[in-house]
Amino acid sequence: GEDVEQSLFLSVREGDSSVINCTYTDSSSTYLYWYKQEPGAGLQLLTYIFSNMDMKQDQRLTVLLNKKDKHLSLRIADTQTGDSAIYFCAESMVDGKLIFGQGTELSVKP
Amino acid sequence: ETGVTQSPTHLIKTRGQQVTLRCSSQSGHNTVSWYQQALGQGPQFIFQYYREEENGRGNFPPRFSGLQFPNYSSELNVNALELDDSALYLCASRDVPGGDGYTFGSGTRLTVV
Repeated sequence: GEDVEQSLFLSVREGDSSVINCTYTDSSSTYLYWYKQEPGAGLQLLTYIFSNMDMKQDQRLTVLLNKKDKHLSLRIADTQTGDSAIYFCAESMVDGKLIFGQGTELSVKP
Repeated sequence: ETGVTQSPTHLIKTRGQQVTLRCSSQSGHNTVSWYQQALGQGPQFIFQYYREEENGRGNFPPRFSGLQFPNYSSELNVNALELDDSALYLCASRDVPGGDGYTFGSGTRLTVV
């Protein structure tokens, strides 16, 4: 079946690194995405990784993919209060639909 | 036109009524998808349209229907509204599969009373 799971909450101090984890079940996914959602807003694409890659770095963001374990993580370096939001992991299926996790609420304390 | 625009931003309807939500996709984006996001949940795939034809559907009943038009606009129609239909409805569009993925609109917040 198609299922994506994330831990619900993460709290860090400003300046620390944040690591948000995600597991998925369907091995046929083509791309894996991280989206950010601020209160009352839509989804903002942060970064994505092709399913045959292991790692992707984009400024403060590092994505790690362990395809064998179906585990995806997002590391945010030097986390700022403006990074406080809900982060969604999503996998893109062959037919184009996105399967989302339930979201991880990141709280950054000054 | 850049970005994805949805209207209205907020809507209140009574149980049993019908509603039409609208989306204006980014120019050149031939694929549009609709998602339902209940409070505290991740978005759930409703359906997808490519060049005005539905080419994928999630686990939603037939009272959820859609249309896509040649001018990159689309509609989500919901008949016989139920209280559980209260959610944020998100429209997303893309030009080619994968890569940069979908561009999402800010959503329509539907409340059914």
